[in-house]
Amino acid sequence: EIVMTQSPATLSVSPGERATLSCRASQSVSSNLAWYQQKPGQAPRLLIYGASTRATGIPARFSGSGSGTEFTLTISSLQSEDFAIYYCQQYKNWRTFGQGTKVEIK
Amino acid sequence: QVQLVQSGAEVKKPGASVKVSCKASGDTFTNNDVNWVRQATGQGLEWMGWMNPNSGNTGYAQKFQGRVTMTRNTSISTAYMELSSLRSEDTAVYYCARGRGSNYFDFWGQGTLVTVSS
Repeated sequence: EIVMTQSPATLSVSPGERATLSCRASQSVSSNLAWYQQKPGQAPRLLIYGASTRATGIPARFSGSGSGTEFTLTISSLQSEDFAIYYCQQYKNWRTFGQGTKVEIK
Repeated sequence: QVQLVQSGAEVKKPGASVKVSCKASGDTFTNNDVNWVRQATGQGLEWMGWMNPNSGNTGYAQKFQGRVTMTRNTSISTAYMELSSLRSEDTAVYYCARGRGSNYFDFWGQGTLVTVSS
């Protein structure tokens, strides 16, 4: 099983600042990597697939990069609605999720 | 607009089985895989398996092999996930999600809370 490790567990950021979230795979997943946002009491929402392609309706302040084993989700200027938990997921070999990064208000 | 609507909350005793449904609308049901993901309270997301609604083919995460069964009824565009031999650790919200590409998930159901308690 491919293990996905996200860091940090919690990220404290002020509104308007940039947030950078990391995701590492235990073996190469090529570009088969997605990012999701989840708010309390809601289902996850797809943000990014193919490591860097924004899903339909996702604002341009969200960007994804990386390939192989190292990936990054960047939120260029945090808005109030962006404070949430973010998960990465690989779909190269079956599917596995990272444990999540909570983005909280500083 | 694609929608996945799941069945309501369930309370089950240890050792029992639960069957959760996921009704799809807004797209051809047989065009995309249906995946199931669960989330215990305060915990992360855990992928359980996938089903191809067209063929009925399935693939289950090793952790759930032998306990989970995914089926469908194409006439009513509904997928099902049945989990047997329930234990307290199975208490979680269960989500269905539409799989795209090699299976990232672009649409999700609202979730079904399954509580396992004696």
